[in-house]
Amino acid sequence: GAGVSQSPSNKVTEKGKDVELRCDPISGHTALYWYRQSLGQGLEFLIYFQGNSAPDKSGLPSDRFSAERTGGSVSTLTIQRTQQEDSAVYLCASSFGGPRVYEQYFGPGTRLTVT
Amino acid sequence: DAKTTQPTSMDCAEGRAANLPCNHSTISGNEYVYWYRQIHSQGPQYIIHGLKNNETNEMASLIITEDRKSSTLILPHATLRDTAVYYCIVRVGGNFGNEKLTFGTGTRLTIIP
Repeated sequence: GAGVSQSPSNKVTEKGKDVELRCDPISGHTALYWYRQSLGQGLEFLIYFQGNSAPDKSGLPSDRFSAERTGGSVSTLTIQRTQQEDSAVYLCASSFGGPRVYEQYFGPGTRLTVT
Repeated sequence: DAKTTQPTSMDCAEGRAANLPCNHSTISGNEYVYWYRQIHSQGPQYIIHGLKNNETNEMASLIITEDRKSSTLILPHATLRDTAVYYCIVRVGGNFGNEKLTFGTGTRLTIIP
């Protein structure tokens, strides 16, 4: 079956511009996560959705970052007024909730480069 | 969540079984052991998890000691595509409002042709 898909795969933007990243989770997965990974670094948690609500936004680094999920499916991560330190691979993952919440299936990521 | 300890790196010959150890001596009774891997330039990949019984799926086997203080991930016939960083994570199962994954440094496994 189809895995988690993300678009675009690569995005180059100028400092100060807004970007929108999209994630299509696996069908039937109620939980959705956004992480980011800077070059050579570990995974950094950003936000978690259960259905359309976000019980954990603790990882969003600043108010320039926001995310939404509609219809319990597709999610978008928006970064406003991008900065060079926002350059990273943005990864989306999804899972069933409940006892399988840690079986997270990751998409291929969006590589964001802010120039 | 219990802390895990893994070797920094390991080599394994292609075609042989790769055995990756993980120590989690402070694991509590309701914590599961999860294994993920990350191949270079790809997102992390879920491999397997278990509570106390040994588990096997199409990717790997997970052997958990009887006292649950350590476990071993076994890739039965390693191929070059198994070269990756492997992460052992211990988490309480279920929705408790803290569902994020936190990866440590993991074990860098290199499969040698």
